Amino acid sequence: AQSVTQLGSHVSVSEGALVLLRCNYSSSVPPYLFWYVQYPNQGLQLLLKYTSAATLVKGINGFEAEFKKSETSFHLTKPSAHMSDAAEYFCAVSTLLNTGFQKLVFGTGTRLLVSP
Amino acid sequence: GAGVSQSPSNKVTEKGKDVELRCDPISGHTALYWYRQSLGQGLEFLIYFQGNSAPDKSGLPSDRFSAERTGGSVSTLTIQRTQQEDSAVYLCASSPQGGFNTEAFFGQGTRLTVV
Repeated sequence: AQSVTQLGSHVSVSEGALVLLRCNYSSSVPPYLFWYVQYPNQGLQLLLKYTSAATLVKGINGFEAEFKKSETSFHLTKPSAHMSDAAEYFCAVSTLLNTGFQKLVFGTGTRLLVSP
Repeated sequence: GAGVSQSPSNKVTEKGKDVELRCDPISGHTALYWYRQSLGQGLEFLIYFQGNSAPDKSGLPSDRFSAERTGGSVSTLTIQRTQQEDSAVYLCASSPQGGFNTEAFFGQGTRLTVV
């Protein structure tokens, strides 16, 4: 079964610093991978998704993620953090049910803290 | 509507009472999901609907939990005889289809507190 592991429940950066949020996946088939963001008191919003078209995926708000099959990773990065990036970030993998439909399996999330 | 709508946004209930949580998906979306987000935990899959049928109920924690979907649209998650461990944010999501790389659109959730 497909799964994802997010390393670090909390990541703290200074404003302007590089953001790196780690996600490793486990999948016996080529995976479809997603990053979602949850701002305080809001639902989840899609940041970006990997669907095998390109290994470097660009998303909203300056975020990007690179799919590395050799490392089974899909880490999320942003060159320069903004205060508004403070949120919880979830990595997810799409897993195929025996019904032929998919469901998302989420990691435990990483809370990004941005200090001035 | 423009997005996934969940009601109520907050619910406080006494232990042992039944609660109903409602989800209005985006119009035309055939796939609907319920997830639970507990404090300090990730998102826990509860149940998935394709149309009115639920091909996957594997995530429902106990037989106190049930869900239905009518008219291929609105879904209701019912928790009977609530317990304190049921306290969590319940998130609903919908997608245009159950396809392998389809984005799921999430509602803002219902925060359930059992006292």
